[in-house]
Amino acid sequence: GAGVSQSPRYKVAKRGQDVALRCDPISGHVSLFWYQQALGQGPEFLTYFQNEAQLDKSGLPSDRFFAERPEGSVSTLKIQRTQQEDSAVYLCASSLVSSGRLGVFFGPGTRLTVL
Amino acid sequence: DQQVKQNSPSLSVQEGRISILNCDYTNSMFDYFLWYKKYPAEGPTFLISISSIKDKNEDGRFTVFLNKSAKHLSLHIVPSQPGDSAVYFCAASAGYNNDMRFGAGTRLTVKP
Repeated sequence: GAGVSQSPRYKVAKRGQDVALRCDPISGHVSLFWYQQALGQGPEFLTYFQNEAQLDKSGLPSDRFFAERPEGSVSTLKIQRTQQEDSAVYLCASSLVSSGRLGVFFGPGTRLTVL
Repeated sequence: DQQVKQNSPSLSVQEGRISILNCDYTNSMFDYFLWYKKYPAEGPTFLISISSIKDKNEDGRFTVFLNKSAKHLSLHIVPSQPGDSAVYFCAASAGYNNDMRFGAGTRLTVKP
């Protein structure tokens, strides 16, 4: 399909393990966002890219979280030394224009469970 | 801090009736508001939005109302259909800041 895709859809990690979550945005979309959604909560902003530039990473909860989008398309969210509180659904979204307020397209998310 | 609040975790409505989903916000800098709809195992889907210069925006069966003085917005769905059953998220942003703040969501069930 032509939507935002994320992989893996489900990931189980042991505490202390590193994980990498992948996002394939819609082709040609300038903006890419990562959100974290805990159970029973709404999505919370993590970070924002405009093309390959990471313009806002104010939502990343700790220095264990790292995101990159080296060629301005595919993005990877990496979490080092995972903790139980990292368990959540990680949503990726993309937008054609530089401002996400005109509506972003979300992927299905990656559900991360840290044991 | 929860800057966007959806105080009703769930709502059940009969098919054909009106569904009203409510959202309150605390940050007076918010000037753009969006509603997203989410089905299980899918990401949220953009539904409708409103700028703070307006108090109403309508798109088919969906209307969003904004009351800036009360810092309150609502989504009206009329008539409600069983396919509208989903979780609805309210979101808000300030200026051209890309940090959208979401509410916790309201699960709408439309009964046939």
